[in-house]
Amino acid sequence: LAKTTQPISMDSYEGQEVNITCSHNNIATNDYITWYQQFPSQGPRFIIQGYKTKVTNEVASLFIPADRKSSTLSLPRVSLSDTAVYYCLVGVPRDTDKLIFGTGTRLQVFP
Amino acid sequence: EAGVAQSPRYKIIEKRQSVAFWCNPISGHATLYWYQQILGQGPKLLIQFQNNGVVDDSQLPKDRFSAERLKGVDSTLKIQPAKLEDSAVYLCASSQKQGSGNTIYFGEGSWLTVV
Repeated sequence: LAKTTQPISMDSYEGQEVNITCSHNNIATNDYITWYQQFPSQGPRFIIQGYKTKVTNEVASLFIPADRKSSTLSLPRVSLSDTAVYYCLVGVPRDTDKLIFGTGTRLQVFP
Repeated sequence: EAGVAQSPRYKIIEKRQSVAFWCNPISGHATLYWYQQILGQGPKLLIQFQNNGVVDDSQLPKDRFSAERLKGVDSTLKIQPAKLEDSAVYLCASSQKQGSGNTIYFGEGSWLTVV
């Protein structure tokens, strides 16, 4: 399973765009890249998932370069409510949906 | 659509006591997971069920932890006897099926404090 590396923490201000980069040098051909968000006292929540290029939904965008060795989660115009821990997960084996969480990136949004 | 339901939400027990957590996954989801999340860390998979069969329990401390998923729907995670280091949030999650790229939905968790 591919190991991921992401910043431990990031600070931002309301209205700014936040980009969180995750490196996954050993990503396998069949692996997807998935991002989860976790608020205090809640379980992680699925944000976005992609395999290559760009994926966009109502919450975020996910940019994946051609070599797929990294990915960037982009949160447009963050608000205070986006303060959370963001996890990048990679390496979903073909036979199981086991997810291996790292320590994530703690995003703090200030007014 | 109802989410993953867990109970109790909070539990405080003394070490060496036992505790049980219950989970009801999203309707129709065949795969169920139990994760342990210690404060400041990411969730760690304890056990994964596919219907009522165990797919992976390699990280479950089997000397004190047990889990079952009778009838392939609800699941129970038990700890007996509890240790101080078991203080954590126990997260239940479910997904429709196995397979790469499938999303997993988490419950709010059961907070355990062992004193």
